[in-house]
Amino acid sequence: DPKIIQKPKYLVAVTGSEKILICEQYLGHNAMYWYRQSAKKPLEFMFSYSYQKLMDNQTASSRFQPQSSKKNHLDLQITALKPDDSATYFCASSQGTFYEQYFGPGTRLTVL
Amino acid sequence: GQQVQQSPASLVLQEGENAELQCNFSSTATQLQWFYQSPGGSLVSLLSNPSGTKHTGRLTSTTVTKERRSSLHISSSQTTDSGTYLCAIDPSNNRIFFGDGTQLVVKP
Repeated sequence: DPKIIQKPKYLVAVTGSEKILICEQYLGHNAMYWYRQSAKKPLEFMFSYSYQKLMDNQTASSRFQPQSSKKNHLDLQITALKPDDSATYFCASSQGTFYEQYFGPGTRLTVL
Repeated sequence: GQQVQQSPASLVLQEGENAELQCNFSSTATQLQWFYQSPGGSLVSLLSNPSGTKHTGRLTSTTVTKERRSSLHISSSQTTDSGTYLCAIDPSNNRIFFGDGTQLVVKP
């Protein structure tokens, strides 16, 4: 059974719209993260949460808003979508911020 | 500047040969991980090795913390090892910085 679930696997959106990317982890971890991988670029850290509180935000745009309704959930809301937002978005979790991180399968977002 | 640098950028091997991948980093790393990214894009954690030597299966990682470098040795490579190997460090306990990766192709 998958331990980190990301939904949907693929997502196509139009410029200017809003989407929510879902992430749930069943590893009992306390820390969760979002990363982005654009074409031909290294993975980039976006956010980290620990015990449902924001620890670090390296995303310049306020269009990206993480939402943690439960300890094992960290969704990512993206508003006013742009073609440059097209990327694969990975969710990750770890037991704590010192610990090894485990990644979900990713959501591939395409903005037309 | 980039915090994590990997070499070589790409590597082509014949099945059965060994591979040596290098990772150099510019910050003190409290955590260092090697990942495998499949051609389809999925990420799998291979080893967590902030210092010393660790083995798992055909993989051996050696990290020399004070020299800010780590290596990943793949022995007896197989075609299914083809993909991208990523080195990542966590210097601040809140995030990971990834290298550009080494793209490995293992030919039958």
